[in-house]
Amino acid sequence: AQKITQTQPGMFVQEKEAVTLDCTYDTSDQSYGLFWYKQPSSGEMIFLIYQGSYDEQNATEGRYSLNFQKARKSANLVISASQLGDSAMYFCAMREPTGNQFYFGTGTSLTVIP
Amino acid sequence: GEEVAQTPKHLVRGEGQKAKLYCAPIKGHSYVFWYQQVLKNEFKFLISFQNENVFDETGMPKERFSAKCLPNSPCSLEIQATKLEDSAVYFCASSLWGNEQFFGPGTRLTVL
Repeated sequence: AQKITQTQPGMFVQEKEAVTLDCTYDTSDQSYGLFWYKQPSSGEMIFLIYQGSYDEQNATEGRYSLNFQKARKSANLVISASQLGDSAMYFCAMREPTGNQFYFGTGTSLTVIP
Repeated sequence: GEEVAQTPKHLVRGEGQKAKLYCAPIKGHSYVFWYQQVLKNEFKFLISFQNENVFDETGMPKERFSAKCLPNSPCSLEIQATKLEDSAVYFCASSLWGNEQFFGPGTRLTVL
């Protein structure tokens, strides 16, 4: 079974609008971490936001927020007030304590339209 | 340093040749991870280190791939006898406690 599922291969959003990128995960561990990374066309991986499984509040970092719904095993990324520079691939990832490896989703390509 | 450094930026090898990639983690970070990104949308975990010790190598094709993280040296990922399907971008990431990972810029390996 896929550890991380991102069901939206591509998304479009109008500049200045908000957009939600979906991510669901699969784990039997109680302690885990969820991450979002941005990969622009230049190829580097940029850390955006982190949510710990025991964190009761949703993580926020500037225009990024993580909508964490533990019972549904979802960790959607919300980008508010989209900017043209937000156009990139976005990867959801999970770290399980056992094995210390990260599992990545297949990514969502976001295009911000002027 | 404050960033993960990877060298070289690009590497071209003929099929069957050896390829060696280097990674300098952020100073003070105990964990190093290697990933292979073949297409723009798929990251494959290869191996992780805690200091110089292999932590998890479940993703490594062991017959041709090897990796080391020795004290006072950059970490390395070596591919013996490269194959066409090894063409990919190889990312190194480092982490302080094993949570948030900071990625290097990647090494693009092209096997001809």
